[in-house]
Amino acid sequence: GQNIDQPTEMTATEGAIVQINCTYQTSGFNGLFWYQQHAGEAPTFLSYNVLDGLEEKGRFSSFLSRSKGYSYLLLKELQMKDSASYLCAATDSNYQLIWGAGTKLIIKP
Amino acid sequence: GAVVSQHPSWVICKSGTSVKIECRSLDFQATTMFWYRQFPKQSLMLMATSNEGSKATYEQGVEKDKFLINHASLTLSTLTVTSAHPEDSSFYICSAFTGTGIYEQYFGPGTRLTVT
Repeated sequence: GQNIDQPTEMTATEGAIVQINCTYQTSGFNGLFWYQQHAGEAPTFLSYNVLDGLEEKGRFSSFLSRSKGYSYLLLKELQMKDSASYLCAATDSNYQLIWGAGTKLIIKP
Repeated sequence: GAVVSQHPSWVICKSGTSVKIECRSLDFQATTMFWYRQFPKQSLMLMATSNEGSKATYEQGVEKDKFLINHASLTLSTLTVTSAHPEDSSFYICSAFTGTGIYEQYFGPGTRLTVT
């Protein structure tokens, strides 16, 4: 079957670094998305990884290992506004998105 | 980036009535749009894939006669919740592919439906 696993909730301190992991099993694989979703709002795009390795975009970086079926989102210099849910989604062989349940990130002062 | 709008942003209706939600791609043409629903503290659940000029493809367990989807043009898809019941109360979100690049889905702002 197709499955995406990510932690339900994480807590981190303002100014620190946090890594949110995601493992996936899909029928074929084309790429992996990370989205941020604040409560009551629609998701917003953060990153898309197709090739193995780390892609950095400002305070956010995303890593992919296709052989391990593993990705992580790294958030640096955490700010209070980063408190949100982070959704991992893999695209299968038909480019259909398979969504994880999301990781709720709580930032404490 | 690509912009997707949704209307209305929130709606309250009585049980048994129908509600129409519009999803528009404002600065690009979207041959494919997606409709999701999301319950509190849960992830997105794909309801259907809407293709311009053809019938929508519904996910297993989604009643096609209850959730009517019409993709009338390259910039507009509508979801009509027919004979709404309180259990249909949810956050409905549409998204669209631009058709180029990395198959990134751009999301509308969502519609919160409350059925009383």
